[in-house]
Amino acid sequence: QVQLQESGPGLVKPSETLSLTCTVSGGSVDIGSYYWSWIRQPPGKGLEWIGYMYNSGSTKYNPSLKSRVTISVDTSKNQFSLKLNSVNAADTAVYYCARRVGGSSYKYFDPWGQGTLVTVSS
Amino acid sequence: QSVLTQPPSASGTPGQRVTISCSGSSSNIESNPVNWYQQLPGAAPKLLIYGNNQRPSGVPDRFSGSKSGTSASLAISGLQSEDEADYYCATWDDSLNGVVFGGGTKLTVL
Repeated sequence: QVQLQESGPGLVKPSETLSLTCTVSGGSVDIGSYYWSWIRQPPGKGLEWIGYMYNSGSTKYNPSLKSRVTISVDTSKNQFSLKLNSVNAADTAVYYCARRVGGSSYKYFDPWGQGTLVTVSS
Repeated sequence: QSVLTQPPSASGTPGQRVTISCSGSSSNIESNPVNWYQQLPGAAPKLLIYGNNQRPSGVPDRFSGSKSGTSASLAISGLQSEDEADYYCATWDDSLNGVVFGGGTKLTVL
């Protein structure tokens, strides 16, 4: 059973880069049919898709964040990562990593990591 | 402002049937399958319904999903106290070229 676990700093200063890692256990990130994803949730608010990497190198990002986001996969460590640069207070959120799976007619996020709170503050 | 519109809250008593709506447009719900996620208090979201009306293994058949045109619905029958959670709909948006979520509905079991 695949499990995901986020890790990284819980506090980031404004204008700096947020960096998080998701460690995958019970399965491999080196499988082309999966989309390794990041989703965030500001405190007390709803979910926002950030983006994903698939096919061992292709990426797709939320247009509203595209200029600041980079998602990458490290197959040697069975991890994938998120970098969000030039952060501000609006980027304060719980960040979730998730696997996007499914066939040609449907796709969904499953499973999800437990989430990690990142606060942007000086 | 979310692309998909959900009522912010819903409620019901134990044993009742409740439905949660999710309204979208031709570029998202009408064109693509809808998924539903359940987020229990303090926990990560969990897949509840995929492909409009499919239940993953382990999800009780009290939960069901449907879609018609630009709207989708989640129905919960035989409401239980442990169903108290936030529920989110999600799908792909062809115009935005990305995944979109509803704003979430907080379900209270009275």
